[in-house]
Amino acid sequence: EVQLVESGGGLVQPGGSLRLSCAASGFTFSSYSMNWVRQAPGKGLEWVSYISSSSSTIYYADSVKGRFTISRDNAKNSLYLQMNSLRAEDTGVYYCARDRRQWLAIDYWGQGTLVTVSS
Amino acid sequence: QSVLTQPPSASGTPGQRVTISCSGSSSNIGSDTVNWYQQLPGTAPKLLIYSNNQRPSGVPDRFSGSKSGTSASLAISGLQSEDEADYYCAAWDDSLNAHWVFGGGTKLTVL
Repeated sequence: EVQLVESGGGLVQPGGSLRLSCAASGFTFSSYSMNWVRQAPGKGLEWVSYISSSSSTIYYADSVKGRFTISRDNAKNSLYLQMNSLRAEDTGVYYCARDRRQWLAIDYWGQGTLVTVSS
Repeated sequence: QSVLTQPPSASGTPGQRVTISCSGSSSNIGSDTVNWYQQLPGTAPKLLIYSNNQRPSGVPDRFSGSKSGTSASLAISGLQSEDEADYYCAAWDDSLNAHWVFGGGTKLTVL
């Protein structure tokens, strides 16, 4: 069974930093691209970042470019998101999501971790 | 403002057929396939339809998808109370900075 478990969310002040982690199990993590997708309270889904299976290709949403860094450790079956210079508008639930290129779809999502940026 | 455009709400009575539309552009829906997600209250999104009209294992055949040009639709037949949820369309955007794009979501109410 595919499992994606996010951690690292919490309350942080504007301008602060946070590092999210996602522990993957139930599939060959090193064979799949991964994404971070977020959802502000009461709002829709917003894609944040993509990383290919070997980390050779990385994309960011314009709204986080230069502030967020996606990375992965295939030996630890883990995905990360380093978030710096956080703003109030970064508040929301952050989902780790598996990318299935053969289907051109995000096919599995974690349960999410809540990030709140507030003073 | 979402890249893909969906109606904010839709509704139907049990047993009815409901459709939800999704409009995009040549760089996303027009050049790539469309996926649909169901998000029940307080839960993570779940893949409902991929590659325009394919259902992952376990998704009832009451759910179907279609695409034409730069638009797509999700149809739900034999509406049930447990279908009350938010529905999102998504597509890969092949513009200069490739990325996933989502619709703003449609809240489906079963009356």
